[in-house]
Amino acid sequence: GENVEQHPSTLSVQEGDSAVIKCTYSDSASNYFPWYKQELGKGPQLIIDIRSNVGEKKDQRIAVTLNKTAKHFSLHITETQPEDSAVYFCAASITGNQFYFGTGTSLTVIP
Amino acid sequence: DSGVTQTPKHLITATGQRVTLRCSPRSGDLSVYWYQQSLDQGLQFLIQYYNGEERAKGNILERFSAQQFPDLHSELNLSSLELGDSALYFCASSASSGRRGDTQYFGPGTRLTVL
Repeated sequence: GENVEQHPSTLSVQEGDSAVIKCTYSDSASNYFPWYKQELGKGPQLIIDIRSNVGEKKDQRIAVTLNKTAKHFSLHITETQPEDSAVYFCAASITGNQFYFGTGTSLTVIP
Repeated sequence: DSGVTQTPKHLITATGQRVTLRCSPRSGDLSVYWYQQSLDQGLQFLIQYYNGEERAKGNILERFSAQQFPDLHSELNLSSLELGDSALYFCASSASSGRRGDTQYFGPGTRLTVL
């Protein structure tokens, strides 16, 4: 099956700086890549997603880039705020319904 | 609030026992997905039901089973519980079968502790 690797596992940034989280996947048939944010005691929440026919997608301070050739995709958060502190998960899907998740990145934004 | 509800929030039981976790999807959603989140395995897909029928199967143990009822709520049954089954169990729902990568909305989870 698909294997998704995520780096870094922890990330600390100063408020206002940018944060970048990177994921690689193994199966070139993967075509859907969602990103989830999980706050303490809550379930994961979708923050942005991208499909394989698109190279980049942006939503306000959040952007995702996809490099199909290299089989990696990245989450970019600009102008970070303390409320961005959470665990972020990337995922890849071949079929559209079965997601393979990365191991998560714990982001801390220091005021 | 995602609109997905899960009960109970916490469950403490002993090895060898059987438990049932319940999930109600968002209004109008036809698919329900079950995930297990543990410290060593991360977030793992277990199984998906779409409109009452099993649609996809992931790393679900034979001791675990699930079903989706006509009112679309779902139950995950865990039997012969082992210490290693202690984890957070999430339910998610989506509008359709998920083939096009539908957004999955996650519930708050059930924390299972096996003693």
